[in-house]
Amino acid sequence: AQKITQTQPGMFVQEKEAVTLDCTYDTSDPSYGLFWYKQPSSGEMIFLIYQGSYDQQNATEGRYSLNFQKARKSANLVISASQLGDSAMYFCAMREALIKAAGNKLTFGGGTRVLVKP
Amino acid sequence: DGGITQSPKYLFRKEGQNVTLSCEQNLNHDAMYWYRQDPGQGLRLIYYSQIVNDFQKGDIAEGYSVSREKKESFPLTVTSAQKNPTAFYLCASSPSSGSYNEQFFGPGTRLTVL
Repeated sequence: AQKITQTQPGMFVQEKEAVTLDCTYDTSDPSYGLFWYKQPSSGEMIFLIYQGSYDQQNATEGRYSLNFQKARKSANLVISASQLGDSAMYFCAMREALIKAAGNKLTFGGGTRVLVKP
Repeated sequence: DGGITQSPKYLFRKEGQNVTLSCEQNLNHDAMYWYRQDPGQGLRLIYYSQIVNDFQKGDIAEGYSVSREKKESFPLTVTSAQKNPTAFYLCASSPSSGSYNEQFFGPGTRLTVL
């Protein structure tokens, strides 16, 4: 079964508008962390934002915010005021077993390609 | 500047040949990882190591081998047993302790089998 599901293979967004990228996850572990990474065409992976399963508030980092709905097991990324440089692939990832410290393995979703139109 | 370096950026290999991808980090991280990415897809874990001289198989370890003789280095060998090795390979590292361990990624190596 897929542990991380990103249902939107690609999206267009107008410059300066906001865009929401969907991510749903599946885990029975009460302790987990959710990450979002950006991958430009160069291939590097750039860390954007993190949400822990016990965090009381939704994470925010500049123009990035995470809409964390624990009961629905979703962790959607919101990019506000889109810029041309936001055009990239975006990946949601999950780390399970934080407390058990079974390693820092990440499981990635299939990604969503975002193209920002001028 | 601290970071992760991978070399080479592009690698071409003939079928039947083994090839080794380099990954070096100067972040003093305990844990290191190798991922494979196929076009238009997410990353899949090949191998990871939480400490020197120890490593574990990830989800797609068949046809690959690794070593971790030094904290800074985690080379990946793609063997001739790997059926479809053409892919983009990413190395990452992270601290192994603590509840929030962002993984830092290298620039990647694009391997093409001719």
